[in-house]
Amino acid sequence: GQNIDQPTEMTATEGAIVQINCTYQTSGFNGLFWYQQHAGEAPTFLSYNVLDGLEEKGRFSSFLSRSKGYSYLLLKELQMKDSASYLCAVMDSNYQLIWGAGTKLIIKP
Amino acid sequence: DVKVTQSSRYLVKRTGEKVFLECVQDMDHENMFWYRQDPGLGLRLIYFSYDVKMKEKGDIPEGYSVSREKKERFSLILESASTNQTSMYLCASSSATAHNSPLHFGNGTRLTVT
Repeated sequence: GQNIDQPTEMTATEGAIVQINCTYQTSGFNGLFWYQQHAGEAPTFLSYNVLDGLEEKGRFSSFLSRSKGYSYLLLKELQMKDSASYLCAVMDSNYQLIWGAGTKLIIKP
Repeated sequence: DVKVTQSSRYLVKRTGEKVFLECVQDMDHENMFWYRQDPGLGLRLIYFSYDVKMKEKGDIPEGYSVSREKKERFSLILESASTNQTSMYLCASSSATAHNSPLHFGNGTRLTVT
């Protein structure tokens, strides 16, 4: 079967760095997405990786290792507004998205 | 900015009622999707559509149907609502120009079936 694993919840301190991991087993691979979802709001697109390596976008970076079936989202200089759920999704060989359950990130002052 | 609008934020319906959830997008996207989001689970795809009058079943279509009469509008129908359909429903759209086009989501409809 197809599976995406992420930690359920993480806590970090304002100003610090946090890494949210995502491991996957899917039928084929056509890219991995990260979305951010604030409580009660719509998920919004953060990043897309299809090749191995690190993609940096401001305070957020996303890393992919296809051979290990692994990705992480790195958030630097954490702000209170980064408190949200972070959703990992993999596009399989049929171009269908398989979603993880999301990681709830709590930022403390 | 892409806008995906879902007609209701909160709905309360009784078991057996027919329920309509409406979704409209304003960016001329070809692809539209309906998901449900439940605690502890990833988003689950109910139905999707790649074109007007076209629909495809997702992973959990049972108990649901959809309608896409116009490009901008994608409706989800619960033929006879049941308590296990209590959930957050998310509509999304995306461009067909590339497979990695990101999804744009509406704010969701929280449906409670009593």
